[in-house]
Amino acid sequence: GAGVSQTPSNKVTEKGKYVELRCDPISGHTALYWYRQSLGQGPEFLIYFQGTGAADDSGLPNDRFFAVRPEGSVSTLKIQRTERGDSAVYLCASSLDEGDWTEAFFGQGTRLTVV
Amino acid sequence: KQEVTQIPAALSVPEGENLVLNCSFTDSAIYNLQWFRQDPGKGLTSLLLIQSSQREQTSGRLNASLDKSSGRSTLYIAASQPGDSATYLCAVRDDNDMRFGAGTRLTVKP
Repeated sequence: GAGVSQTPSNKVTEKGKYVELRCDPISGHTALYWYRQSLGQGPEFLIYFQGTGAADDSGLPNDRFFAVRPEGSVSTLKIQRTERGDSAVYLCASSLDEGDWTEAFFGQGTRLTVV
Repeated sequence: KQEVTQIPAALSVPEGENLVLNCSFTDSAIYNLQWFRQDPGKGLTSLLLIQSSQREQTSGRLNASLDKSSGRSTLYIAASQPGDSATYLCAVRDDNDMRFGAGTRLTVKP
């Protein structure tokens, strides 16, 4: 695709429910990142994939959060038993990571509201 | 773990002024540093990418410098315009991941 695509753009869910957020990176990009951003804050790192594997998942706040990238392209961030504190904008980025082509590009984000 | 700090947190300037935004990082073993712009309620737009082997990059009225040994980068904006009002974020990429500062919220007054 032309850019990083995130769906849905907005998600409202009830406390305790399970949600999945999807990220379609730019075609051919091997690196994929997930971030969470609260109002007035910088993006908070969650997880980084190189290909299919999670190279660094140290930012996942607890075991309710999980992310997959089974074929090295689309990634899904999964949140179980959502809490009101999970409300934030979830951002995804991808980069090609070949030679000097390491610029990261972001999607427009998914705004998650837990009520 | 890499830590990234941006100073100032907020800045307000009159139109036409030149300005400098600062970014510092704790671990100099970086892969690259990238500056982004974020408008309210929007995603991040890439402005400039500096590879670890480079000292600076320029795009139009923007110039970013990198001093890896001292863990610092600056973003220079020349002849600021009201349309430059946004939050500016720097991100540092190392072997593990990409970490952001909290950003500088810039307001350019007409």
